[in-house]
Amino acid sequence: AQSVTQPDIHITVSEGASLELRCNYSYGATPYLFWYVQSPGQGLQLLLKYFSGDTLVQGIKGFEAEFKRSQSSFNLRKPSVHWSDAAEYFCAVGAARNTPLVFGKGTRLSVIA
Amino acid sequence: NAGVTQTPKFRVLKTGQSMTLLCAQDMNHEYMYWYRQDPGMGLRLIHYSVGEGTTAKGEVPDGYNVSRLKKQNFLLGLESAAPSQTSVYFCASSYRPTSGRTDTQYFGPGTRLTVL
Repeated sequence: AQSVTQPDIHITVSEGASLELRCNYSYGATPYLFWYVQSPGQGLQLLLKYFSGDTLVQGIKGFEAEFKRSQSSFNLRKPSVHWSDAAEYFCAVGAARNTPLVFGKGTRLSVIA
Repeated sequence: NAGVTQTPKFRVLKTGQSMTLLCAQDMNHEYMYWYRQDPGMGLRLIHYSVGEGTTAKGEVPDGYNVSRLKKQNFLLGLESAAPSQTSVYFCASSYRPTSGRTDTQYFGPGTRLTVL
C-alpha cells in the first residue's frame, strides 16, 4: 500500500528566506503526487500536482515542487517566503484507481519577521 | 460554483447524542470522502463513496455511518457521539479517474465538532 512521510512536523523560517518542505512517498509504480495548503481555520487548497512529464512542477502562490523518482521524493520549494505563507502543508499520493489519496501528517510552517 | 460545502460549520454535542453532517458538491463529482483531522494525526479517512448508492470504509470508520443517496450529497452520521469524536471533519470530492490513478480531491471548509 502507498504511504507518505513528511519528516518535519514544524518549520520556522524568516520572511524573505527560502523554503523547502520534504515529502517522501512509498508506492510501487509511478504515483500521482500533490501538495495542499491549509490556512488556519480553513479547508485544504491544492497548491500543485504531478502526474507525468516535467519533474519540476509550478503551482500557485509561487510554489514549485520537484519529483525525484530515485529518492522517492516530492519536495516543495519557494524562493522567498511571505508572512501569509504561514499554514500547514500536506503532501499526498494518489495510487490505485478507486482508492482515495493518502496524506502525510503535515508540516506546520511558521514565518517570523 | 460553490464547490464543496459543509453544514453545519460548528456543533457542540453531549455524549450519546446523534447528529448528521451534510456535504454537498456542485461539480458533478462521482467520488466523495469524509476525513477527520486531529492535532498531530493529519487527515484520516473515515468513509468514502465512488458513486451514488455506494460507500466504503476508510481508516477510522468505527462510530460513523454514511449515506450517498444523491450524487451531489454525502452524509456522515454519528449515532451515539463520544468525546473521542471531537474533531474537525472535512468532506472532499473528486472526478472518477480516467487514468490509473486517483485525481485531485477538492475540500470543503470543515465542520468543527465538540462532544462533551
